[in-house]
Amino acid sequence: ETGVTQTPRHLVMGMTNKKSLKCEQHLGHNAMYWYKQSAKKPLELMFVYNFKEQTENNSVPSRFSPECPNSSHLFLHLHTLQPEDSALYLCASSQDGLLAGEETQYFGPGTRLLVL
Amino acid sequence: AQSVTQLGSHVSVSEGALVLLRCNYSSSVPPYLFWYVQYPNQGLQLLLKYTSAATLVKGINGFEAEFKKSETSFHLTKPSAHMSDAAEYFCAVSLPGANSKLTFGKGITLSVRP
Repeated sequence: ETGVTQTPRHLVMGMTNKKSLKCEQHLGHNAMYWYKQSAKKPLELMFVYNFKEQTENNSVPSRFSPECPNSSHLFLHLHTLQPEDSALYLCASSQDGLLAGEETQYFGPGTRLLVL
Repeated sequence: AQSVTQLGSHVSVSEGALVLLRCNYSSSVPPYLFWYVQYPNQGLQLLLKYTSAATLVKGINGFEAEFKKSETSFHLTKPSAHMSDAAEYFCAVSLPGANSKLTFGKGITLSVRP
């Protein structure tokens, strides 16, 4: 595997379910990100982890719970979601632990989530 | 704070025609600017970025963009569109310094007609 991978690629869940999204980066990067992509809206940054430590929580509801056990893996645990949470969830990584502005972020293909 | 404006949601061009996708930014300090492309069922891929070196930036697949401070613009161009260019294009801005975050525009869908 190369780059940034995400599993599953598609997920359908009910509002009472608990599920997890997984992201893995094979680039040796230090920072990882979760974004939400909804139709016709800008990408929304959800969480940032730098050297496994959470450095950003962009006012995300507690029904989304991130976990970063090491610099290569990032999870997003989901529980009691709402239909408006249906979206494409993208994971990204970047090299520099300083999170400097000029860094390139490398994105995975995303998980398409549908909440019924 | 920074922001990006991408006017319109869809651009359609003929194969071989010029591609022009517009991006205007707002920033309190000189920013870094990016164009990302998203092909169907894929994540975002960096096309090019401006990081305060040359104002004309060349990227992959024949795309280029010019940073114009006086117009607060960073428009993306390609002289001759190819069918494979059909995708969604995102302009993004970030600021210098640590713990900087990317702010994306809404994106614009490019269609290429045969």
